[in-house]
Amino acid sequence: GDSVTQMEGPVTLSEEAFLTINCTYTATGYPSLFWYVQYPGEGLQLLLKATKADDKGSNKGFEATYRKETTSFHLEKGSVQVSDSAVYFCALTPQGGSEKLVFGKGTKLTVNP
Amino acid sequence: DTGVSQNPRHKITKRGQNVTFRCDPISEHNRLYWYRQTLGQGPEFLTYFQNEAQLEKSRLLSDRFSAERPKGSFSTLEIQRTEQGDSAMYLCASSLGQGNGQPQHFGDGTRLSIL
Repeated sequence: GDSVTQMEGPVTLSEEAFLTINCTYTATGYPSLFWYVQYPGEGLQLLLKATKADDKGSNKGFEATYRKETTSFHLEKGSVQVSDSAVYFCALTPQGGSEKLVFGKGTKLTVNP
Repeated sequence: DTGVSQNPRHKITKRGQNVTFRCDPISEHNRLYWYRQTLGQGPEFLTYFQNEAQLEKSRLLSDRFSAERPKGSFSTLEIQRTEQGDSAMYLCASSLGQGNGQPQHFGDGTRLSIL
């Protein structure tokens, strides 16, 4: 079945460091790909998305590119801030059907000043 | 846009009791989803409505679970004869069902604790 694998955390970085959180997926056809973020004490929020191969999603300085050939959707940010501390979830919706989200286990990021 | 609203925020109950949660989606959204999230895991899909029709149910949704969306607006999720393993965060999300890749908007969830 469809699945998402993301790098295990926790990840701890200093402010202004470069961030990469790896995400790979297994799915038939062309799923849509998402990154959701959960800040402490808050609900899940959509961070960015890409719906077809080679699309780049971006928001708040974060980027991820839909790579069909490597079935990957890695999240990157050039310079993290303390306010980026959160849990990040990679997810997909299978092509067609209900478009239910299939999530990875999440990666907790802590950014220290 | 008032967002997705879930009530209650927290429910504590004894094993064997029945519980019901409510979700009010974003008003123009025709699709509504329920997920369950346990500690350290990503959310897992439970069930999905398009308008008032329940179109898909996960194998995770045992016979003790039932969900409704009677008028295609709010939805309820009921768990009968609760068990310890039902302790989790129950999340509701809604979206506009217009083509592939429409983002789902999540509520803050209902945390269920079984004593």
